[in-house]
Amino acid sequence: DTGVSQDPRHKITKRGQNVTFRCDPISEHNRLYWYRQTLGQGPEFLTYFQNEAQLEKSRLLSDRFSAERPKGSFSTLEIQRTEQGDSAMYLCASSLRGKETQYFGPGTRLLVL
Amino acid sequence: DQQVKQNSPSLSVQEGRISILNCDYTNSMFDYFLWYKKYPAEGPTFLISISSIKDKNEDGRFTVFLNKSAKHLSLHIVPSQPGDSAVYFCAAGWDNFNKFYFGSGTKLNVKP
Repeated sequence: DTGVSQDPRHKITKRGQNVTFRCDPISEHNRLYWYRQTLGQGPEFLTYFQNEAQLEKSRLLSDRFSAERPKGSFSTLEIQRTEQGDSAMYLCASSLRGKETQYFGPGTRLLVL
Repeated sequence: DQQVKQNSPSLSVQEGRISILNCDYTNSMFDYFLWYKKYPAEGPTFLISISSIKDKNEDGRFTVFLNKSAKHLSLHIVPSQPGDSAVYFCAAGWDNFNKFYFGSGTKLNVKP
């Protein structure tokens, strides 16, 4: 069991560029979550998948954000036309349906210049 | 809308003593609560949870207490060890575990 992995770990981009992050959950986990964490705050829920279905999205997830989990395994989070306010740590977590424990990856730190 | 609050950004405790981390929530409909620990450059790690049907849950040195009438929970670490130094987040949600609301964290420093 290799745990939840995220790629890249760090990303620096210029305002207006598109970025894509990848999350590989624990293999048998059918739920996958995306969170955003800014300095001095806790993780904020963005969206979650059960298998390949995206079941809930936060109002924090503007039209510039899109997440996919095409085969119910890995997931991608894309941010289009990045803004400086998008600078944050993006965390992915996975769990088994019916279990409260979410296992987090190390996160992708995004800096938008 | 900050539904989960941790009002103490930091806490310093001597090794061997008790650490008490506090968390308040506003939504009385929450029925599941969790504590996570986070080291620098790592994602949060699950520590302990409690359902709203209980008022206490214990796991080794860690005990979580829930006071539903006060909408308050606390994490007790006894005895505290230097390796416990980390940021601790509380989180609240529902028993479908669809999403959790996290507090802003308390940075615990356990001094040798």
